[in-house]
Amino acid sequence: GAGVSQSPSNKVTEKGKDVELRCDPISGHTALYWYRQSLGQGLEFLIYFQGNSAPDKSGLPSDRFSAERTGGSVSTLTIQRTQQEDSAVYLCASSLVSQGSTGELFFGEGSRLTVL
Amino acid sequence: DAKTTQPTSMDCAEGRAANLPCNHSTISGNEYVYWYRQIHSQGPQYIIHGLKNNETNEMASLIITEDRKSSTLILPHATLRDTAVYYCIVRVADGANNLFFGTGTRLTVIP
Repeated sequence: GAGVSQSPSNKVTEKGKDVELRCDPISGHTALYWYRQSLGQGLEFLIYFQGNSAPDKSGLPSDRFSAERTGGSVSTLTIQRTQQEDSAVYLCASSLVSQGSTGELFFGEGSRLTVL
Repeated sequence: DAKTTQPTSMDCAEGRAANLPCNHSTISGNEYVYWYRQIHSQGPQYIIHGLKNNETNEMASLIITEDRKSSTLILPHATLRDTAVYYCIVRVADGANNLFFGTGTRLTVIP
């Protein structure tokens, strides 16, 4: 596609339910990032994938959060047993990693999660 | 990646130049300075980046000090649509590493 696509754009769920958020990066981009942004706050890093390397999971806030990237393309962020403090906009970004690349990140429009 | 320090907020009159400072005193020799902005309810958008020379594109200019410990993003003629949070980041350019955003500067362009 032309840009980074995220779905769903909005998700309302009940406390304790599991949710899955999807990110479809720009074709050919080997790096994929997930961030979380709570209302009025900055971007909080969650996880980073780069090619076949082990992902950098250092930003995941708890073991209820996990992410995978299948086939080096689409990524799914899963939040188990959601809590109200998980309510936020979840942003995905991708970038091209190669010698001479600008390293620019291209962001999707985000998935807004509301946990009741 | 090196940390950056930015003012929390700034105001600018419409039509005037907006000068957004950023300190990055621990920047490494192979790290670039990147600027992104985030307009309300949208994903962050790339603006410009540079290594040591000043850079200019259709959106903005980037002035990097000779010692590379600080930089300034310049929006030459600010419009109301430039109201946003502006993030200054330093990182290696090839993209093969993580990227941390700080809290940025909230720029408000005033009519």
